[in-house]
Amino acid sequence: QVTLRESGPALVKPTQTLTLTCSFSGFSLTTSGMCVNWIRQSPGKALEWLARIDWDDDEYYATSLKTRLTVSKDTSKNQVVLTMTNMDPVDTATYYCARFSPLSNGGHSEAFDIWGQGTVVTVSS
Amino acid sequence: SYVLTQPPSVSVAPGETARITCGGNNIGSRSVHWYQQKPGQAPVLVIFYDTDRPSGIPERISGSNSGNTATLTITRVEAGDEADYHCQLWDSSADHVVFGGGTKLTVL
Repeated sequence: QVTLRESGPALVKPTQTLTLTCSFSGFSLTTSGMCVNWIRQSPGKALEWLARIDWDDDEYYATSLKTRLTVSKDTSKNQVVLTMTNMDPVDTATYYCARFSPLSNGGHSEAFDIWGQGTVVTVSS
Repeated sequence: SYVLTQPPSVSVAPGETARITCGGNNIGSRSVHWYQQKPGQAPVLVIFYDTDRPSGIPERISGSNSGNTATLTITRVEAGDEADYHCQLWDSSADHVVFGGGTKLTVL
């Protein structure tokens, strides 16, 4: 069974750095074509893609947040970590990790087939 | 950057057909994916690559994509279909995921 689970602080202060961990099971991020993404959703708002890390260490970031985001992986622990610097109240949201799975042709799907349950982060002093 | 436009809300009576659109410039040339999200829950993939259904998704839910509009169609709508629906694609020209603004489906 494939699962992902986000963890991290529920409350951070403005200007602090947020560190979130996505712990997953049922697949390996060493498998060709496997990717893990981060997505967030502010209350009552649309989904917003943040970042992606691939099996081959390629990284992708949302343009508007690129300077504040870093994504990394620890394949031995089956974890992906997202850091976001200089947090602001507008960053208050539910943060999700979700998977792109491999395709039979060697590439990767572009649909999020499995999502974590999400973790709520509030930015407030 | 590429923009996906969804209507904020769609309302339909039980047993009727709901159609939720996702507009974008020549979206028919791209692959669109759809998610259902119920309150307090993570999104769930219901349609991928325009028309494919993951296992466990009922045949009442289908997708199409042509020209400037992708459409999610739900036939014989039930109360349990009430949710937010999001369209999404990978913009390969920018190496970004793009989401639509989401559509709230209300079952009257």
